[in-house]
Amino acid sequence: QVRLVESGGGLVKPGGSLRLSCAASGFTFSDYYMSWIRQAPGKGLEWISYISSSSSDTNYADSVKGRFTISRDNAKNSLYLQMNSLRVEDTAVYYCARDVTPNAFDIWGQGTMVTVS
Amino acid sequence: DIVMTQSPDSLAVSLGERATINCKSSQSVLYSSNNENYIAWYQQKPGQPPNLLIYWASTRESGVPDRFSGSGSGTDFTLTISSLQAEDVAVYYCQQYYSRRTFGQGTKVEI
Repeated sequence: QVRLVESGGGLVKPGGSLRLSCAASGFTFSDYYMSWIRQAPGKGLEWISYISSSSSDTNYADSVKGRFTISRDNAKNSLYLQMNSLRVEDTAVYYCARDVTPNAFDIWGQGTMVTVS
Repeated sequence: DIVMTQSPDSLAVSLGERATINCKSSQSVLYSSNNENYIAWYQQKPGQPPNLLIYWASTRESGVPDRFSGSGSGTDFTLTISSLQAEDVAVYYCQQYYSRRTFGQGTKVEI
């Protein structure tokens, strides 16, 4: 079935780096935009980045621009988020989602927790 | 960025009664070339990722019960649960995809 599985979360010190991965299965990954969305503990959802199917188009929320980099490997059906210069306020569950541009997020992973402390 | 503001922040509804959640965007999300409103609604239950309910402001995602409906145009939108069931207790979010993507702050629905 259609599935997204995130990995790579963990505990990191302020100023540190972390790379998240999202493994896709059950659909033609290379046909779709993908996004990362995060949710701080007890808070709402925050979209942080998307990438087009061919990687030619990327966009970032102002809160992470210049610190985070989204990428993908269509041959490996994988999405990535390189997070540098991490801050305490980046602590959140990070979800990857299929972005049915120009449309909504129709498939979500279960999320991976990132703690910056 | 387009700011999405939901109201109320929380509401308590009796089983079988109607629940109404409002969402206002800081600018119009109606795309003139296709006359579609670039709005989606999600349901999130504790410990789970969000689940897509509605897109294009009023189109129900496959498998979503018909007690969920979306309406509105331009800057003002509504999600209605016509007859609240126990399994509908959740936080609901609106989201725009007209310009990048932004979410509302969420509305908690309780019995």
